[in-house]
Amino acid sequence: QQQVKQSPQSLIVQKGGISIINCAYENTAFDYFPWYQQFPGKGPALLIAIRPDVSEKKEGRFTISFNKSAKQFSLHIMDSQPGDSATYFCAATSNSGGGADGLTFGKGTHLIIQP
Amino acid sequence: GAVVSQHPSWVICKSGTSVKIECRSLDFQATTMFWYRQFPKQSLMLMATSNEGSKATYEQGVEKDKFLINHASLTLSTLTVTSAHPEDSSFYICSARQGPPRAFFGQGTRLTVV
Repeated sequence: QQQVKQSPQSLIVQKGGISIINCAYENTAFDYFPWYQQFPGKGPALLIAIRPDVSEKKEGRFTISFNKSAKQFSLHIMDSQPGDSATYFCAATSNSGGGADGLTFGKGTHLIIQP
Repeated sequence: GAVVSQHPSWVICKSGTSVKIECRSLDFQATTMFWYRQFPKQSLMLMATSNEGSKATYEQGVEKDKFLINHASLTLSTLTVTSAHPEDSSFYICSARQGPPRAFFGQGTRLTVV
């Protein structure tokens, strides 16, 4: 059972455009939703994260939108740059166990920003 | 962000041998670390949760006798792939939580079994 569904699988965006990646979760116990950026051969790097008590969080060009009732959250990358080309993973976890729960990842989105 | 160091970054071993991968949290203490496995162009799958001072918790389908985990201190966890076979070839990544729930990842270890 895939607990976090991510789409699209791949995405091509022109430089300066907005990249949008969507995720949906099933487990209502999830209460922390991070996004990770991964370059080939490297470990994932934490990009931005949100908790369900807010509907939006913005850090620089990156924004997370969160819809608790729909159990969906999305990543928006504004003014997308070629350096943003990478694989992006959404994830979810429950913090109720004091941090003892691992992350459940979406399948990833391969983002390509064309110059 | 916090720094998690993983070593080695890549390793090639012969079939039947064992390989040890280290994961260190460099600037914080982590009572819990996590080990993930990632196949090419696929997502990360949680293998096990490493608990300092106690036994690791393995996800369903992960052989605990094949993937030995030791959390020796608050800054070090090791994963040993025992009697490695070509199907164990993969990208192994550890993570540690700083002030849960923020999780930081190591740079990963590319294991190739020949």
